[in-house]
Amino acid sequence: AAGVIQSPRHLIKEKRETATLKCYPIPRHDTVYWYQQGPGQDPQFLISFYEKMQSDKGSIPDRFSAQQFSDYHSELNMSSLELGDSALYFCASSLRAGRLGRVTQYFGPGTRLLVL
Amino acid sequence: GQQLNQSPQSMFIQEGEDVSMNCTSSSIFNTWLWYKQDPGEGPVLLIALYKAGELTSNGRLTAQFGITRKDSFLNISASIPSDVGIYFCAGQSAGAQKLVFGQGTRLTINP
Repeated sequence: AAGVIQSPRHLIKEKRETATLKCYPIPRHDTVYWYQQGPGQDPQFLISFYEKMQSDKGSIPDRFSAQQFSDYHSELNMSSLELGDSALYFCASSLRAGRLGRVTQYFGPGTRLLVL
Repeated sequence: GQQLNQSPQSMFIQEGEDVSMNCTSSSIFNTWLWYKQDPGEGPVLLIALYKAGELTSNGRLTAQFGITRKDSFLNISASIPSDVGIYFCAGQSAGAQKLVFGQGTRLTINP
């Protein structure tokens, strides 16, 4: 079965540079979520989108922005990168309201960002 | 904010042993999910629970949604080497999009 696709899988940037992470959800999924996972930490929710509209917001820095496009793929834009932004970034997707109203998030393989 | 307390943080067991881990919260959740994560990879969904008291199995894995909606446990029976990894519980509250994760349980198996 098709899974969530993320690109790139690995990214190395310098401080103060910008980065764009891409996420392609499972076919027919209409909601995407972004999470950040630091070394040895659990994933922390950043932001989510449904039908191109922001649906929930977590601890996303002001330097980061994201959007969802008409084909449901999403991009996370990160500017003025800091050393502390080095982490794994996961995208997850789901149907907004699955069968019986149940929502299940499926995660992609992640993008490992290293800021030097 | 919401927090999930997952225990134990790590487990060292012999192959063939059974494993049990749990998560507790001070908040009520409408959905409990259990994921397994291998190093450098994304969390893979193991079991999803949607109703208080629900008990669900997936092969050698069994998970339950606590009746108070504030806890869940995951059991793994007859562990095998490929069970090694980090197991996360995650909860989702009503009306929220985000998942709140536990701190994870690192499972190590001695052959």
